[in-house]
Amino acid sequence: AQKVTQAQTEISVVEKEDVTLDCVYETRDTTYCLFWYKQPPSGELVFLIRRNSFDEQNEISGRYSWNFQKSTSSFNFTITASQVVDSAVYFCALSEARGYGNKLVFGAGTILRVKS
Amino acid sequence: SAVISQKPSRDICQRGTSLTIQCQVDSQVTMMFWYRQQPGQSLTLIATANQGSEATYESGFVIDKFPISRPNLTFSTLTVSNMSPEDSSIYLCSVDLSREGTQYFGPGTRLLVL
Repeated sequence: AQKVTQAQTEISVVEKEDVTLDCVYETRDTTYCLFWYKQPPSGELVFLIRRNSFDEQNEISGRYSWNFQKSTSSFNFTITASQVVDSAVYFCALSEARGYGNKLVFGAGTILRVKS
Repeated sequence: SAVISQKPSRDICQRGTSLTIQCQVDSQVTMMFWYRQQPGQSLTLIATANQGSEATYESGFVIDKFPISRPNLTFSTLTVSNMSPEDSSIYLCSVDLSREGTQYFGPGTRLLVL
């Protein structure tokens, strides 16, 4: 069965610090996708990134970067120079491919608090 | 990208009653999904709704409790029936716009059952 583990329940940092959110996944599929979503206090779920299993290139988008390593089944997310607006719950998710629509399996989420 | 809206945004309901949540997308999509997020918890898929067919429910969720309609390619409803306080959650719809598996979420409906 698919499983996503986000071992860090809550992280607190001071503004401008770098922070890494860990994500470890389990799957028997040879082809799969991984995602990161952000849920700010307002509650909506914001899509951040998608990574296909065959694409192990790391990605950088502004202050955000992602490190995908199939060898360790990890897909970690780093925020550089954190800001107060980064405070949110961050979810890592794994897609389970099915014929009638992919199911997203979410990790428990990591609460990130950035203090000024 | 598309605009996904949900109604109501929040509601407070009495136990034993039912609430229907609407999800509207401004473009046609094949797959629509309904998730539940219990307080302080992660998201769990309730069901997948395809236009023109019965919704497919995940283990632990049944049609009598969560009936779903999908009358066209831009709209779906989820009903939470015979509610109890345990149904207090955020209910989110999502759509796969690209057919590549990336799901985009509506703003959610915050439900409190007293």
